[in-house]
Amino acid sequence: DGGITQSPKYLFRKEGQNVTLSCEQNLNHDAMYWYRQDPGQGLRLIYYSQIVNDFQKGDIAEGYSVSREKKESFPLTVTSAQKNPTAFYLCASSTAGGNTEAFFGQGTRLTVV
Amino acid sequence: AQKITQTQPGMFVQEKEAVTLDCTYDTSDQSYGLFWYKQPSSGEMIFLIYQGSYDEQNATEGRYSLNFQKARKSANLVISASQLGDSAMYFCAMREGRGYSSASKIIFGSGTRLSIRP
Repeated sequence: DGGITQSPKYLFRKEGQNVTLSCEQNLNHDAMYWYRQDPGQGLRLIYYSQIVNDFQKGDIAEGYSVSREKKESFPLTVTSAQKNPTAFYLCASSTAGGNTEAFFGQGTRLTVV
Repeated sequence: AQKITQTQPGMFVQEKEAVTLDCTYDTSDQSYGLFWYKQPSSGEMIFLIYQGSYDEQNATEGRYSLNFQKARKSANLVISASQLGDSAMYFCAMREGRGYSSASKIIFGSGTRLSIRP
């Protein structure tokens, strides 16, 4: 079945450690996105990529980094520079055109202690 | 700048009634798409409906319809005959631009928490 896989579903890390969240899609989509969601809040865009080896900062990119070496994969690294990393992280993908929806993974809930 | 505004943090509706969730947007682009998503307590994002800026008719998908008023820059979601399972967060979203040459991003509003009363 085609879809987007985020792993792990729950992740715990100690403060000061970098952590990488995985996002893989087999939908043959060119565009991929990372969002952060805090409790009771909306989705805020961290990074997005329209094509392999290219990505752009979203509204809250500070403290995060990404790579897009393969079309299928768009991992997100939460660095120690991110002041409040505990949140729910959602990855999405879509075709590059403007008239199709984004498909989402199940999300990763990151807790930093 | 691209922006989505949802002014209703929470709503309570009686089962079987219709409900309208408000969404206004701001963009300088002539070409854009508007989306609505549902997020149950499980956290998954469920796509509901899409409206393109050049579509003349309002989009409909089953019990969902999108009341698109381009001049007012509003894209309200209407749910007819609400059900208990409709209780969830609802997000309005927008993407500017078309085609592979556009580095278009998808942005979301702050959401509306809809609660259906039996």
